Amino acid sequence: EAQVTQNPRYLITVTGKKLTVTCSQNMNHEYMSWYRQDPGLGLRQIYYSMNVEVTDKGDVPEGYKVSRKEKRNFPLILESPSPNQTSLYFCASRPYLSGSGPQHFGDGTRLSIL
Amino acid sequence: GQQVMQIPQYQHVQEGEDFTTYCNSSTTLSNIQWYKQRPGGHPVFLIQLVKSGEVKKQKRLTFQFGEAKKNSSLHITATQTTDVGTYFCAVTNFGNEKLTFGTGTRLTIIP
Repeated sequence: EAQVTQNPRYLITVTGKKLTVTCSQNMNHEYMSWYRQDPGLGLRQIYYSMNVEVTDKGDVPEGYKVSRKEKRNFPLILESPSPNQTSLYFCASRPYLSGSGPQHFGDGTRLSIL
Repeated sequence: GQQVMQIPQYQHVQEGEDFTTYCNSSTTLSNIQWYKQRPGGHPVFLIQLVKSGEVKKQKRLTFQFGEAKKNSSLHITATQTTDVGTYFCAVTNFGNEKLTFGTGTRLTIIP
């Protein structure tokens, strides 16, 4: 089954404790991205990657890191999480079609930073 | 950066009534996509519009792309309880790989 898998689904942690949210897709998609969703603000793009070893900042990249060493994986790293990063996070992927094409989303990761 | 306004933010309708959400951009768009997110779920792609003035239909849903490619609408005819959720537009500018989402319209249905 074609899917985008995120882990963990839920995480409660404390300020400053490094964490990684994994994202994996089995559709051989070139393009992957991370979003955060906050009430009243919709989905805001954090980082995106057009292919292996190619990443770029989205609209809200501060406090986050990503890497794209393999085509299928695109982990999101919070080196020193803070409470303002408490949010619902979605990973998404699509084929690289020059700015178009449907994105497939994972089920989301709800992070709470205390 | 790209500004995308989506209105209304909330809409409550009686089951069977029609519903429309609007998406407006400050710049000319390459294309626009629409997504639906059910409560507790993830966004699911509905459709993509590319051409100026394009109109596409999916059963009771009608999607329009403005002539100037700066705005779009999603219209649902005779809403049903299965239409409950938040509808997002997502836009791409020419020469840019970023996809910018609108703030969404949350639709609730009164049975």
